[in-house]
Amino acid sequence: EVQLVESGGGLVQPGRSLKLSCLASGFIFSNYGMNWIRQAPGKGLEWVASISSSSSYTYYADRVKGRFTISRDNAKNTLSLQMTSLRSEDTALYYCTRVHTLDYWGQGVMVTVSS
Amino acid sequence: DIQMTQSPSVLSASVGDRVTLNCKASQNINKYLNWYQQNLGEAPKLLISNTNSLQTGIPSRFSGSGSGTDFTLTISSLQPEDFATYFCFQHDSWPGTFGSGTKLEIK
Repeated sequence: EVQLVESGGGLVQPGRSLKLSCLASGFIFSNYGMNWIRQAPGKGLEWVASISSSSSYTYYADRVKGRFTISRDNAKNTLSLQMTSLRSEDTALYYCTRVHTLDYWGQGVMVTVSS
Repeated sequence: DIQMTQSPSVLSASVGDRVTLNCKASQNINKYLNWYQQNLGEAPKLLISNTNSLQTGIPSRFSGSGSGTDFTLTISSLQPEDFATYFCFQHDSWPGTFGSGTKLEIK
């Protein structure tokens, strides 16, 4: 059974950093591209970042480019999102998802940016 | 980016009803449209991929249709567990984009 379990969320002040992780199981992690998707309270879903299976390709939404870094450790079946210079508008539930067709999702981890 | 518009935003229905949810793309997305079900506090679940491919384990009362810019998700006979939020997602164009969702509630 495919499982994606996010962690690392919480309350952080504007301008600070936070790192999210996603532990994958139930499939060969190194074979799949992965993504972070987010949903702000009361808002729609937004694609944040993607990484190819071997980390050779990454993509970022314009709103996070230069502030967020997606990475992965295939030996540890872990996807990460390093978030810096956080803003109030980054407050959202962050989901780890598999492949560009988003066939599996984690339950999400909440990030709240507030002073 | 391609804009995805879902309608209605809220749909009230009863157990046993047949319901249709709509999703419209701002440009041609061919067949690359997925439907997801999301219950409060749970991970979204993929129901249908590429317009009409029912995922393993999803009941046959769910079906999808459409092409180009207009797509529908039909639930032939609503069951109590179907009352949830449904959203569409296009993956024809990078990055994929999402509809705003339809909340299916009990009448």
